[in-house]
Amino acid sequence: QSALTQPASVSGSPGQSITISCTGTSSAVGNHNLVSWYQQHPGKAPKLIIYEGSKRPSGVSNRFSGSESGNTASLTISGLQAEDEADYYCCLNAGRITFAVFGGGTTLTVL
Amino acid sequence: QVQLVESGGGVVQPGRSLRLSCAASGFTLGSYAMDWVRQAPGGGLEWLAVISDDGSHEYYADSVKGRFTISRDNAKDTFYLHMNDLRAEDTAIYYCTRDLWFGQGDAFDIWGQGTRVTVSS
Repeated sequence: QSALTQPASVSGSPGQSITISCTGTSSAVGNHNLVSWYQQHPGKAPKLIIYEGSKRPSGVSNRFSGSESGNTASLTISGLQAEDEADYYCCLNAGRITFAVFGGGTTLTVL
Repeated sequence: QVQLVESGGGVVQPGRSLRLSCAASGFTLGSYAMDWVRQAPGGGLEWLAVISDDGSHEYYADSVKGRFTISRDNAKDTFYLHMNDLRAEDTAIYYCTRDLWFGQGDAFDIWGQGTRVTVSS
């Protein structure tokens, strides 16, 4: 099972853009649309914000975008807002009815 | 509206068992694979188990394989996590999630509010 590594924390000022990386031990992370991203505010359940590497569910702001390359998936948040301050997790779903693995999570601080 | 509601959490002694339930509303449970995910205090998310829409296939994380069992009753719109031989490291908030297949990959699009399990003597 692939392990996923995320930076523990990132920060940015309102209006800026930030990118959170998610690096896996196998090429499954970067090239097969298997990565999803979740936002979690303190005390709340996670929320899906990106699926299949780069697609946004209905209702998710277009300030959130995802990409994949090599062994790395990335989440970019543009036009940072105070409400974006949260924990962000990448997840690799290896396929239907098989294992999934989360990255360790990244805490975003909006300065 | 589309919703998942967990129940069954609580304080349990090491070595004992507990069954968590997740009730679905607003959609047909039997049309979806479902998963359990947990989060230890101050920790990250950990995927635990998945069950196919008809209950015929299951898959577990190594950390719970052999101790936890996922099951479902589509007629009751409910699925379960049976946890045996509980350990202190199983202390966490347990979330149930809907596993949606988007065509090329799947993701957890609906989450319950979580139920807290504390394993302590």
